[in-house]
Amino acid sequence: GQQLNQSPQSMFIQEGEDVSMNCTSSSIFNTWLWYKQDPGEGPVLLIALYKAGELTSNGRLTAQFGITRKDSFLNISASIPSDVGIYFCAGRQETSGSRLTFGEGTQLTVNP
Amino acid sequence: ETGVTQTPRHLVMGMTNKKSLKCEQHLGHNAMYWYKQSAKKPLELMFVYNFKEQTENNSVPSRFSPECPNSSHLFLHLHTLQPEDSALYLCASSYGSGRLQDTQYFGPGTRLTVL
Repeated sequence: GQQLNQSPQSMFIQEGEDVSMNCTSSSIFNTWLWYKQDPGEGPVLLIALYKAGELTSNGRLTAQFGITRKDSFLNISASIPSDVGIYFCAGRQETSGSRLTFGEGTQLTVNP
Repeated sequence: ETGVTQTPRHLVMGMTNKKSLKCEQHLGHNAMYWYKQSAKKPLELMFVYNFKEQTENNSVPSRFSPECPNSSHLFLHLHTLQPEDSALYLCASSYGSGRLQDTQYFGPGTRLTVL
């Protein structure tokens, strides 16, 4: 099946630093989604991207839909302790209906 | 967030037990999904229901049996599970239209431990 390569697998940063993570694939996706999962909870949708080149912000979070449609990036500015969690990318292909393909996640740790 | 609820939140069961997981969505969606989340692995899609009809079974063992009595409720019946089935089971829902904006919203999950 299709795979999304998400990197980095984990990040350890200081409060106030900016963070970048990305997802890449060898296949084209027509939707990119970014979710955050807190321990013991389900993933919560952060940002949805529907158009190549699209840049969308949600507070301190900014995500971009890569122009090749094979990648997406998530940036977090001025990180705070509550940003801790696992961030997942997910993509949907034109032929997959509602099925999503998920990355393996990026574990973010923010030190105060 | 009460859009998608799951019960129980935690479940411990023996390999010979029968139990059921319940999911309910209050978002007016038509599609519901079961996912399995194991440590250090991507989310694994198990089942998809659209308008109460099962549209996808991702080669899931028969010891997992889904049921979707209506568009708002989804169950996962468990029987003679194995320890390797221990995981977080997530329910999600969406409009199921297949359009670009058809986004899935997740419940909080049921943490299952099989002894």
